[in-house]
Amino acid sequence: AQKVTQAQTEISVVEKEDVTLDCVYETRDTTYYLFWYKQPPSGELVFLIRRNSFDEQNEISGRYSWNFQKSTSSFNFTITASQVVDSAVYFCALSETSRNQLTFGKGTKLSVIP
Amino acid sequence: GAVVSQHPSRVICKSGTSVKIECRSLDFQATTMFWYRQFPKQSLMLMATSNEGSKATYEQGVEKDKFLINHASLTLSTLTVTSAHPEDSSFYICSARVPAGGSGEKTQYFGPGTRLLVL
Repeated sequence: AQKVTQAQTEISVVEKEDVTLDCVYETRDTTYYLFWYKQPPSGELVFLIRRNSFDEQNEISGRYSWNFQKSTSSFNFTITASQVVDSAVYFCALSETSRNQLTFGKGTKLSVIP
Repeated sequence: GAVVSQHPSRVICKSGTSVKIECRSLDFQATTMFWYRQFPKQSLMLMATSNEGSKATYEQGVEKDKFLINHASLTLSTLTVTSAHPEDSSFYICSARVPAGGSGEKTQYFGPGTRLLVL
């Protein structure tokens, strides 16, 4: 069965610090997709990244970077030089090709303190 | 691109009334849309999968007669909460999935959500 675990429930950092949000997944499919979404206090889920299981290249987008390690079934998300606007709940999600749905982790609430 | 709108953003209604929530994909056609419910400080709970032109598929434990879903076009899905009660108060979020074969396949884009309060 598919499962996504975000062990960190809440994290607080001081502005400009780097922070890594952990995501570990379980799946029996050999082909799947992994996602990260950001949910600010307004409630809307903002799509951040999609990663195909065949593509293990790490990705960097501005202050955001993602580390995909198939060997450990992890897809961690790092924010460099955090800012107050990064404060939100971040969800990691898994989509197996054999299923329609997204399986979400429970989310990590990030608070960036000025 | 990949914008999903949801209306209304907030609704307060009396117990026993029905509430309709609309979800629209503004710049792409979505054969599949999803409806989620989110309780405070919790993750998203999938309620149903809405397929254009066919009946929705409901998750276990979700009453299909209470949560009516219609996906009449490739850009619009509606969720109607019938005879709403206070326990139906929640944050409802829809998403639309990029069609298979396109770039971003399997990606779901989410609407801004609807906060429902039933008095």
